[in-house]
Amino acid sequence: AQKVTQAQTEISVVEKEDVTLDCVYETRDTTYYLFWYKQPPSGELVFLIRRNSFDEQNEISGRYSWNFQKSTSSFNFTITASQVVDSAVYFCARGSNYQLIWGAGTKLIIKP
Amino acid sequence: DVKVTQSSRYLVKRTGEKVFLECVQDMDHENMFWYRQDPGLGLRLIYFSYDVKMKEKGDIPEGYSVSREKKERFSLILESASTNQTSMYLCASSLYGGRDTDTQYFGPGTRLTVL
Repeated sequence: AQKVTQAQTEISVVEKEDVTLDCVYETRDTTYYLFWYKQPPSGELVFLIRRNSFDEQNEISGRYSWNFQKSTSSFNFTITASQVVDSAVYFCARGSNYQLIWGAGTKLIIKP
Repeated sequence: DVKVTQSSRYLVKRTGEKVFLECVQDMDHENMFWYRQDPGLGLRLIYFSYDVKMKEKGDIPEGYSVSREKKERFSLILESASTNQTSMYLCASSLYGGRDTDTQYFGPGTRLTVL
């Protein structure tokens, strides 16, 4: 199966630290899409980013940035100057036609 | 903004009951999805629908059925609820599908407890 691996089950950092969440995927497709979602304690999955495999430029959105490395099949997510409100479970996913193949998620705990 | 709503945030049912979970999206999306989420097992796709009256099985369809009579509404049905169906159920929708996987937008989830 072409899976998505988020090897970090749980990460705990102190507020204002930078933190990187890893995501490694498998695919035989030449064109595909990659996603990150955030699930805060309330439970609703919140969309963060969708990237096309042809676009290898890093993306920055405020304190969030994403590093896409096609050569290593990785799509890592960095939060700069973390805040308590960033505490959540973060999911990486790869598109497969209509569907998403999900990673297991990384629980991020930001301590004040 | 895309809005996906689910009929209940919390639901408690008895074993053997027929359970309906409703999901409505307001953005004219083609595709709708039902997932369940359990600790340690992540998100698992139950069923999805890419058009009205069309449905496809996901990874864990056993014990569930779905109905999509109107484009905006996708229902998940537990014909005879069992305790192992206690879970968080998440509905999602996306505008289009095919090779260019579109973004899925999620509802708030329904936490179902079967006693």
